[in-house]
Amino acid sequence: AQSVAQPEDQVNVAEGNPLTVKCTYSVSGNPYLFWYVQYPNRGLQFLLKYITGDNLVKGSYGFEAEFNKSQTSFHLKKPSALVSDSALYFCAVRDMGTGRRALTFGSGTRLQVQP
Amino acid sequence: EAGVTQFPSHSVIEKGQTVTLRCDPISGHDNLYWYRRVMGKEIKFLLHFVKESKQDESGMPNNRFLAERTGGTYSTLKVQPAELEDSGVYFCASSLGTGVVQETQYFGPGTRLLVL
Repeated sequence: AQSVAQPEDQVNVAEGNPLTVKCTYSVSGNPYLFWYVQYPNRGLQFLLKYITGDNLVKGSYGFEAEFNKSQTSFHLKKPSALVSDSALYFCAVRDMGTGRRALTFGSGTRLQVQP
Repeated sequence: EAGVTQFPSHSVIEKGQTVTLRCDPISGHDNLYWYRRVMGKEIKFLLHFVKESKQDESGMPNNRFLAERTGGTYSTLKVQPAELEDSGVYFCASSLGTGVVQETQYFGPGTRLLVL
């Protein structure tokens, strides 16, 4: 069965500093990996995805993520955090080995950027 | 282009009552998904439609939940009768189809359901 782990419930970072939100996954086949963000009282917003190709993927709002197959990780990063980045971040995986389109989500990480 | 829309945004009902949630996917998206987040836990998959057909309903918790997508456009998710543990946020998502670009699921704002 596929699974996603986001080991940190909350990440605190000062504005202007780099941020990392961690995600590891487990699948039987090859993974499709996604990051979504949820701002207060809003739905899930797509940030970026890894399907194939370059291990470093760039997404919206200056975010990027690096796919590491050996470590089964897909950490979300941003070089310089903004207060407006404060939100709930979800990592998700789809197992290409199953043929199912369902996404499996992590429990979410709350990012707090302090001014 | 309009995104995925869901109605209502909030619903408060009593245990034993019936509630129907509606989802309108992005126009032209054949794939429609329902997910829910209960008690602040993980977002869990419920089911997947391809056009009007149920492709995968492995996540449906029990037979109190009925999803339909007549005509392959909008979808409804009915909970009858509702129980306390059904409280949570119900998300709908849609995707265009297969392929690298089309694989992305776009989510609606969710319906917040509270069963008292």
